[in-house]
Parts: sequence; structure tokens; C-alpha cells
Amino acid sequence: EDKVVQSPLSLVVHEGDTVTLNCSYEVTNFRSLLWYKQEKKAPTFLFMLTSSGIEKKSGRLSSILDKKELFSILNITATQTGDSAVYLCAVDAPGAGSYQLTFGKGTKLSVIP
Amino acid sequence: DGGITQSPKYLFRKEGQNVTLSCEQNLNHDAMYWYRQDPGQGLRLIYYSQIVNDFQKGDIAEGYSVSREKKESFPLTVTSAQKNPTAFYLCASSISDRGKTQYFGPGTRLLVL
Repeated sequence: EDKVVQSPLSLVVHEGDTVTLNCSYEVTNFRSLLWYKQEKKAPTFLFMLTSSGIEKKSGRLSSILDKKELFSILNITATQTGDSAVYLCAVDAPGAGSYQLTFGKGTKLSVIP
Repeated sequence: DGGITQSPKYLFRKEGQNVTLSCEQNLNHDAMYWYRQDPGQGLRLIYYSQIVNDFQKGDIAEGYSVSREKKESFPLTVTSAQKNPTAFYLCASSISDRGKTQYFGPGTRLLVL
């Protein structure tokens, strides 16, 4: 059975801190790993990673994938209160004929002023 | 405006009642998905559809039914057979090609009276 594990499950930091969120996976037929940010409602897409060692960056957020060690990290530098959210990691690892994402439980990040 | 809409925002179900959650997208995406999210849990796939008039069960399909009569619409019915329906329901869509990102609607929160 495909498995995606995120750590930590929750994290409280002060504004300005740098945080690293982890996502490890055990799946067959790995195709890509995705990060989403979920505030109150709809998860919004952050990154899709398919290749090892290539960092994806968007502003203060960056992410990298290690396909040998089967994990990804999401870094947020100079955190702001608006970064408070649940960060979801999902792996695209379809079986024959399917297009499913397997989600981790998420990391709840709280940024306090 | 392109996007995914879900309605209603909140839904109350009485014992023994079937209720239907709406999901519409105008992104011209072929694939659509329904997920359930419980507190502290990741997203779990209920049903997905790759093309009109075709859909597949996900990991937790029991007690739910779907239809896909139009490309834009993928309604989910929570039947009376679903004994624990209280949850946050998220609809998503993606271009059907392999490895494409899923985009989410704002969600419907279902509560049992």
C-alpha cells in the first residue's frame, strides 16, 4: 500500500524564523510529488517535483526532492503570519489506469507575531 | 473566471437522508475527483472520473455515489448507508494527461443533525 508521511504534524514558530517541512514516501510507480497549502478551505498548489536535486522556488518558499532517499522538503524562509496553514504533501503514483494522488496527513504551521 | 465551484458551503443531513454535493468546473479538465478530509487526517479519495460517463471507486467509496453526465459537473451523493458522513468534502479536477496537477474547489462541510 502506498504511504506518504509528513513531519512534524504541527509546528509553531515566530515571525522571521525559517522552517523545514518533511515528506517521505513509499510508493510504487512514482511519477511526481506535489505540495499544497491549505488555509481555511481549498488546498492551493505550490510545487510539483519530478526530478531529484532540482530546487523549485517561489518567493520565500522552496522545495527539493530526493528520489534515492524517497523524501522531499519544503522550506519557508522569513516566515510571516500569512504562512500559517496546513501544508499537504501528495504523491502521484498511479497504478495501472489510475490517476490517484496519495496524501499525507499534513503539517499544521502556526506563525506567531 | 476559470475555476472549480462547490455548493453548498455547509450542508446538514438528517438521519436516513441522502444528500448531494455539487461540483462544477469550467477549466475544460477531463478528470475530476472527490476527497473527504477529517480533522488531523489527509485527504482520502472517494471517487474519481477520467472522462464523461465513466468513474472509478477510490479508497473509501462505500456509502457514496457519483455521476458524470457532463464534463463540467461531478456531483457526489452521500447516501444513508454512509454512517459517519460528518467531514469536509473537497472536489478537484485535472487535465487528464498523466502527471498533471489537481486543482481544488472551496469545499463543502457536511454535518449530521
